[in-house]
Amino acid sequence: DAGVTQSPTHLIKTRGQQVTLRCSPKSGHDTVSWYQQALGQGPQFIFQYYEEEERQRGNFPDRFSGHQFPNYSSELNVNALLLGDSALYLCASSLDRGPTDTQYFGPGTRLTVL
Amino acid sequence: DQQVKQNSPSLSVQEGRISILNCDYTNSMFDYFLWYKKYPAEGPTFLISISSIKDKNEDGRFTVFLNKSAKHLSLHIVPSQPGDSAVYFCAATPNYGGSQGNLIFGKGTKLSVKP
Repeated sequence: DAGVTQSPTHLIKTRGQQVTLRCSPKSGHDTVSWYQQALGQGPQFIFQYYEEEERQRGNFPDRFSGHQFPNYSSELNVNALLLGDSALYLCASSLDRGPTDTQYFGPGTRLTVL
Repeated sequence: DQQVKQNSPSLSVQEGRISILNCDYTNSMFDYFLWYKKYPAEGPTFLISISSIKDKNEDGRFTVFLNKSAKHLSLHIVPSQPGDSAVYFCAATPNYGGSQGNLIFGKGTKLSVKP
């Protein structure tokens, strides 16, 4: 049973560019959450998708947007990249059965903005 | 303002001894707490959780204690093993009544277990 997968593993962009990160949830999971982990910090919640809709959003600007597809996979898009967007981007999937359902994380995409 | 705080950036323990990792929180709306561990180049892995209606939860060598009045939780690992060496994150979430809401993480504590 494949766990959460993310692509690409690493990415280097320059300021002002746009980037798309991809996530495939664990088999059977229908909810996808995205987190940003800056160096030396804990993961910070960006947003969560369920039934192809953004259900919750953290304190991130509109430059950060997402999408969930009918097969539950998801994309994170970041426009007008800033140096401060350099971070590890983590995707987590879960099953929408209740508040105690565990979120399972993928290995992350390391984004470097030059 | 940090809502979940892990005040010890690192902890070193001898193999076979107890490891105690601490976490404090400020938001009284949090009612579900989790510990994740993270190895380099991997995503966080769920370890153990506790609901606010309990004060203790055990899973093998791992026990989490919750003190709601102090807004404090701790993770005990007994006995500690070299393979436990990782960064441990404390996380909390309020109960929205539906699926688990966003997780609020601490900055992590790097545990080193020496043989």
